[in-house]
Amino acid sequence: DTGVSQDPRHKITKRGQNVTFRCDPISEHNRLYWYRQTLGQGPEFLTYFQNEAQLEKSRLLSDRFSAERPKGSFSTLEIQRTEQGDSAMYLCASSPSATANTEAFFGQGTRLTVV
Amino acid sequence: AQSVTQLGSHVSVSEGALVLLRCNYSSSVPPYLFWYVQYPNQGLQLLLKYTTGATLVKGINGFEAEFKKSETSFHLTKPSAHMSDAAEYFCAVSHGRDDKIIFGKGTRLHILP
Repeated sequence: DTGVSQDPRHKITKRGQNVTFRCDPISEHNRLYWYRQTLGQGPEFLTYFQNEAQLEKSRLLSDRFSAERPKGSFSTLEIQRTEQGDSAMYLCASSPSATANTEAFFGQGTRLTVV
Repeated sequence: AQSVTQLGSHVSVSEGALVLLRCNYSSSVPPYLFWYVQYPNQGLQLLLKYTTGATLVKGINGFEAEFKKSETSFHLTKPSAHMSDAAEYFCAVSHGRDDKIIFGKGTRLHILP
């Protein structure tokens, strides 16, 4: 198992464009998280899934953000009409929530730059 | 709702000195607590976790943390700092295994030669 994989690693986009990021969790991990991290800050919770069900979405999250996990495996995070304030590192994590090993395993992240 | 407060955004210690990074949490139910480390240009890596049982938890690289319910704290310590410990450290909490994990703002640890 190679861990949590995120694609792309870097994305530069023009303001107003839509972007989509992909996350492949560790095999058989049924929980998947999305976080956003800006320089000097901790990971900010965005949303999480239990299998294909989206359990919660941050109330601070704009309607321009949407996430899916259609088959309970990989997930996508889409940002519509990007703004400069969306520039950040987007982190994906997974965990085997059905066991006592509840920690989240993180991917390397996708760095988004909106110009 | 649960939250995490890390006291001190930057901490500097001399090589060989005690490392103490502070974390306080708020949670209405028994929490699960975590410390993660992030080295420059790398992903987050779990240092240690507390779920149930023994309140003193040992992690990787000689770090340990103690869950103190009465103080709602989960401070991270290491007896002797090494240059390689320079990194950003994040405390995190969840309401047990069924809840999301919430992170603190982080503490950057600087090691002085």
